[in-house]
Amino acid sequence: QSALTQPPSASGSPGQSVTISCTGTSSDVGGYKYVSWYQQHAGKVPKLLIYEVNKRPSGVPDRFSGSKSGNTASLTVSGLQAEDEADYYCSSFAGTYNLRVFGGGTKLTVL
Amino acid sequence: QVQLVQSEAEVKKPGASVQISCKASGYDFSDYYLHWVRQAPGQGLEWMAWINPTTGNINYPQKFQGKVTVTSDASVSTAYLDLRGLTPDDTAIYFCARELSAGSSSFDLWGQGTLVAV
Repeated sequence: QSALTQPPSASGSPGQSVTISCTGTSSDVGGYKYVSWYQQHAGKVPKLLIYEVNKRPSGVPDRFSGSKSGNTASLTVSGLQAEDEADYYCSSFAGTYNLRVFGGGTKLTVL
Repeated sequence: QVQLVQSEAEVKKPGASVQISCKASGYDFSDYYLHWVRQAPGQGLEWMAWINPTTGNINYPQKFQGKVTVTSDASVSTAYLDLRGLTPDDTAIYFCARELSAGSSSFDLWGQGTLVAV
């Protein structure tokens, strides 16, 4: 079981959009609809942003959206705001052995 | 209030064991899988294990076999993570997290984290 691949960093200016990728295999990201995204501010507990590829829990702004193509899932943050500066993690169901796996995380900087 | 409350921080010597608890409140403990996730200092999230509180079934990757035991006690709505043979590499914040639906890898409720320093 290997971690999903995310870029270590991403950045954008306020108001812009940024997309973070999460690449796995057909045994995890590509094989199931169970991809989630989390936001973690420094020293805080992770917060669920997106589940089942593109669904938002109640209370998450629609500036956050998710998608998937093949073995790669993506998180797009539109209308960047200063408070979006945080670490972002993807996770996926890894079905072969009913495991779960996280990505390595992406640090988003709002310039 | 729907929450997961974890036990306090621990400081251990190499080779020791530690048990972390995670008490659920505000929802039916048996209705959701409970997972353990750790985060080493300055590092990313690492998934460790899940337990089905209804059946007691557990699963974890080969990396943690022999290292980790996960149990639960539905009578007190609490899950436990036991770590043995601690090494400095086990120094991390350990989180418990509720999975929104079985297999979804969607963790919608998290404990506050328990720091284990080895």
